[in-house]
Amino acid sequence: EIVMTQSPATLSVSPGERATLSCRASQSVSSNLAWYQQKPGQAPRLLIYGASTRATGIPARFSGSGSGTEFTLTISSLQSEDFAVYYCQQYNNWPPLFTFGPGTKVDIK
Amino acid sequence: EVQLVQSGAEVKKPGESLKISCKGSGYSFTSYWIGWVRQMPGKGLEWMGIIYPGDSDTRYSPSFQGQVTISADKSISTAYLQWSSLKASDTAMYYCARLGGTTKNFQHWGQGTLVTVSS
Repeated sequence: EIVMTQSPATLSVSPGERATLSCRASQSVSSNLAWYQQKPGQAPRLLIYGASTRATGIPARFSGSGSGTEFTLTISSLQSEDFAVYYCQQYNNWPPLFTFGPGTKVDIK
Repeated sequence: EVQLVQSGAEVKKPGESLKISCKGSGYSFTSYWIGWVRQMPGKGLEWMGIIYPGDSDTRYSPSFQGQVTISADKSISTAYLQWSSLKASDTAMYYCARLGGTTKNFQHWGQGTLVTVSS
């Protein structure tokens, strides 16, 4: 089973600042990596798939990079609505053995 | 617009059975995998399994194999997650989510169904 880790567990950022979130896979997942945002009381929302492609309607301040085992989600200038928990997920295996990372909470500094 | 609408919150006792639902609309229900994701209170996301409604091909996470049953009724565009004997540890929010076409990420999500199991 591929194990996903995320760092840091919590990131404290001021509005307008840049946030960089990391995700690591225990073995290569190629570019089969997605990022999701979850706000309190809401369902997760897809932000990025294919490691770097923004989903429909996602603002350009969100960007994803990486391949293989190391991935990054960057939020270029944090807005108040961006404070949330962010999860990465690999979908490299078929038959499927999808796994999520434990999440990074982005909160207000 | 793709929509996944889940059934309402449930309160059950240990040992009871339960089936929750997820109705898809705005797309060809039989052409996309639908998955179920568990989120225990205050915890992260766990993938449970997926089903292809077109032919009912179903795949389970090893962690949930034998613990739940995933099914679909394509005539009413609805996927299901069921338990035969609930435990207190099944208390969680359960989300259904539709996968992308060529990319197997969870592209669209339902609003979630809260299941509470308590004596």
